[in-house]
Amino acid sequence: DAMVIQNPRYQVTQFGKPVTLSCSQTLNHNVMYWYQQKSSQAPKLLFHYYDKDFNNEADTPDNFQSRRPNTSFCFLDIRSPGLGDAAMYLCATSLRDRQQETQYFGPGTRLLVL
Amino acid sequence: AQTVTQSQPEMSVQEAETVTLSCTYDTSESDYYLFWYKQPPSRQMILVIRQEAYKQQNATENRFSVNFQKAAKSFSLKISDSQLGDAAMYFCAYRGDNQAGTALIFGKGTTLSVSS
Repeated sequence: DAMVIQNPRYQVTQFGKPVTLSCSQTLNHNVMYWYQQKSSQAPKLLFHYYDKDFNNEADTPDNFQSRRPNTSFCFLDIRSPGLGDAAMYLCATSLRDRQQETQYFGPGTRLLVL
Repeated sequence: AQTVTQSQPEMSVQEAETVTLSCTYDTSESDYYLFWYKQPPSRQMILVIRQEAYKQQNATENRFSVNFQKAAKSFSLKISDSQLGDAAMYFCAYRGDNQAGTALIFGKGTTLSVSS
């Protein structure tokens, strides 16, 4: 089945230690998103890629970076995680098509910062 | 800026009953999309239903239907014949129709509990 896959599902890191979260998709969608969702809150968009074009939200901290080496994969890098970065990180994809642009979410990676 | 408001932090319903979750939004755009997403505890967020603003007909997906009132900027979700598996956080979301990669703007969510 076509899907959005996130690895790992749970990630524990130490304060200040860089961490990378990954997302892959078999939907062949050209847009990929990263959202941060803190406990009992709505997801908040960090950035997205439209094909190879990177689009950062204005209030996304510099600590967060992303890479998209090909259509299928997208990575979220947190350069120096702080305690406040503990959250669920959701990857989503969509196909650029005015009639069909619905975002489909992966299962998320829960990040714990010690 | 667009905003989405879900005024019910928590709702409860008994199995087989019907429940309606409220959502209102604010926008100056004429074309946009509205969504309801379901997020079970510790599980994946999945799309429940979507509505295009240019369509007057309310969207329906099996037991799920919406009441879309464009003039009132209201987009409520009705769940009929509720099941235990419907228990989840439900998010109402808005997306403008201006460009690719437009962020979904989420409401704060409504936690739905279903009792037997």
